[in-house]
Amino acid sequence: KAGVTQTPRYLIKTRGQQVTLSCSPISGHRSVSWYQQTPGQGLQFLFEYFSETQRNKGNFPGRFSGRQFSNSRSEMNVSTLELGDSALYLCASSLNTATNEKLFFGSGTQLSVL
Amino acid sequence: TQLLEQSPQFLSIQEGENLTVYCNSSSVFSSLQWYRQEPGEGPVLLVTVVTGGEVKKLKRLTFQFGDARKDSSLHITAAQPGDTGLYLCAGFVYGNKLVFGAGTILRVKS
Repeated sequence: KAGVTQTPRYLIKTRGQQVTLSCSPISGHRSVSWYQQTPGQGLQFLFEYFSETQRNKGNFPGRFSGRQFSNSRSEMNVSTLELGDSALYLCASSLNTATNEKLFFGSGTQLSVL
Repeated sequence: TQLLEQSPQFLSIQEGENLTVYCNSSSVFSSLQWYRQEPGEGPVLLVTVVTGGEVKKLKRLTFQFGDARKDSSLHITAAQPGDTGLYLCAGFVYGNKLVFGAGTILRVKS
């Protein structure tokens, strides 16, 4: 079956702009999580959605937001981009949120803010 | 400060050598996971260790979970160039939030 699909693969924006990233989970998966990966901070949790509801949130400013649609596809939005937002944004899907759940990651969207 | 500390940060070895990567925390985890990430791709789950003292083997990779469930190790026997990548340990905290270690970059030279 198809894996987690993230679009676009690469994105270049300038400071102050906003950006929307998309994630299509594996068919049947209802949980979608977003992570930011940078060389300095590593992988950091942004938020998790399950059945269109945000269930968990990391320590990121309100400029970072997300949503999930009824078909489990998810989008994340970053407004008023800053240079420090340059990162690989990864989406992961899973069947549920049971403990020790297996997460499947997409290939990510590489965002560069100039 | 990382909740999960990984060491070493970088490892460059010759093909055929053995190596061990460590993942330590002052916190107790119900389980720890190990991922491998290649450039331009997302992390791929290798294993989940759940029981304190547990040892799991995946071909040439051996994973161990500490008795107190605060640490884990990954041992690779006879490393091959295909093992090259970023190795990450991760643990769940409240719900489905995964916290990751900073990772170990492994380079295996032929």
